[in-house]
Amino acid sequence: AQRVTQPEKLLSVFKGAPVELKCNYSYSGSPELFWYVQYSRQRLQLLLRHISRESIKGFTADLNKGETSFHLKKPFAQEEDSAMYYCALYSGNTPLVFGKGTRLSVIA
Amino acid sequence: NAGVTQTPKFQVLKTGQSMTLQCAQDMNHNSMYWYRQDPGMGLRLIYYSASEGTTDKGEVPNGYNVSRLNKREFSLRLESAAPSQTSVYFCASSYTGPNTEAFFGQGTRLTVV
Repeated sequence: AQRVTQPEKLLSVFKGAPVELKCNYSYSGSPELFWYVQYSRQRLQLLLRHISRESIKGFTADLNKGETSFHLKKPFAQEEDSAMYYCALYSGNTPLVFGKGTRLSVIA
Repeated sequence: NAGVTQTPKFQVLKTGQSMTLQCAQDMNHNSMYWYRQDPGMGLRLIYYSASEGTTDKGEVPNGYNVSRLNKREFSLRLESAAPSQTSVYFCASSYTGPNTEAFFGQGTRLTVV
């Protein structure tokens, strides 16, 4: 069965420090990986997807099939990055499977 | 463009009461989903509908029923609410297939006392 693991429930970093939110997945096929973000009092929204290989709001994520990881990174954290981040996997057979989420807190 | 609209936003129920959460999308998406969000548990899929006329169980379907009324609407019903169903419920929709973005409603915060 597909599974997404986000090992950190809470990650606190200082403004300007690098950020890395970890995501590992379990799936035998070729997955599609996503990062969704939920800012305070806002609905969950797509941040980025691995297939696009894009940088959104300074965030990037690279799919590493060997390590089955899709870590989200940003070189310099901003206060407005504080939010709940969910890694999600699409396997083609079932709807999106989400990890348990990591709450990022950026300290001024 | 409203996107995904859920009603109500907040609800308090007594144990044993029933209620229906409504969800509608205006993006002509084939697929619709209901998730619940609990602290430390992330988002867990309750039910989904890959297309009009079909529904399937997700990870945590017990205690819930759904109806895909038409392509736009997908409702979630609690027949006899229990305190364990206290949660935030999210409806979402997407096109069917790979690399598709899921769009979420604003959530319904349900408390069962």
